[in-house]
Amino acid sequence: AQSVTQLGSHVSVSEGALVLLRCNYSSSVPPYLFWYVQYPNQGLQLLLKYTSAATLVKGINGFEAEFKKSETSFHLTKPSAHMSDAAEYFCAVSEMGGSSYKLIFGSGTRLLVRP
Amino acid sequence: DSGVTQTPKHLITATGQRVTLRCSPRSGDLSVYWYQQSLDQGLQFLIQYYNGEERAKGNILERFSAQQFPDLHSELNLSSLELGDSALYFCASSVDGVYNSPLHFGNGTRLTVT
Repeated sequence: AQSVTQLGSHVSVSEGALVLLRCNYSSSVPPYLFWYVQYPNQGLQLLLKYTSAATLVKGINGFEAEFKKSETSFHLTKPSAHMSDAAEYFCAVSEMGGSSYKLIFGSGTRLLVRP
Repeated sequence: DSGVTQTPKHLITATGQRVTLRCSPRSGDLSVYWYQQSLDQGLQFLIQYYNGEERAKGNILERFSAQQFPDLHSELNLSSLELGDSALYFCASSVDGVYNSPLHFGNGTRLTVT
């Protein structure tokens, strides 16, 4: 079964600093990977997805993620943090079983941005 | 706005009771998913429907059931509620339920069992 592990339940950065949120996956087949963001009192919103077309994936709000097969990683980065980036971020891998498909989510990383 | 509508936003009920959560998917989406989010379990997949048919089951308790209606809206029924069922319940939809189609989430229903 596929799974994802997010290292660090909380990450704190200063405004303007680099954001790095870590995600490692476990998959027996080439994975489809996603990053979602959850703002307070809201549902999850898709940031970006990897579907094997390119290893560097650009998403919304200046975020990007790089797929590294050798490291089984899909870390999320943003060059310069903004106060509005404070939220919880979830890495997810798709899992197929017969005709069904679902997303398996990591435990999430809460990003805190200090002024 | 994801286009996925969930009602009610909040629900407070007592142990032993039964509640129904409702979800309207994005226009054109055929697949509906239910997830439970709690502090100790994180985001747990419950069940998936595609065009009215159940496609996959996850960690859904026997006390819980769901269905997707011909107009594609879905309901999640929770019965014999326990304190541990208190959580945020999300509905998500996708166009076709295939592996690289992103899920679009509603804002959730927060269930509090007292």
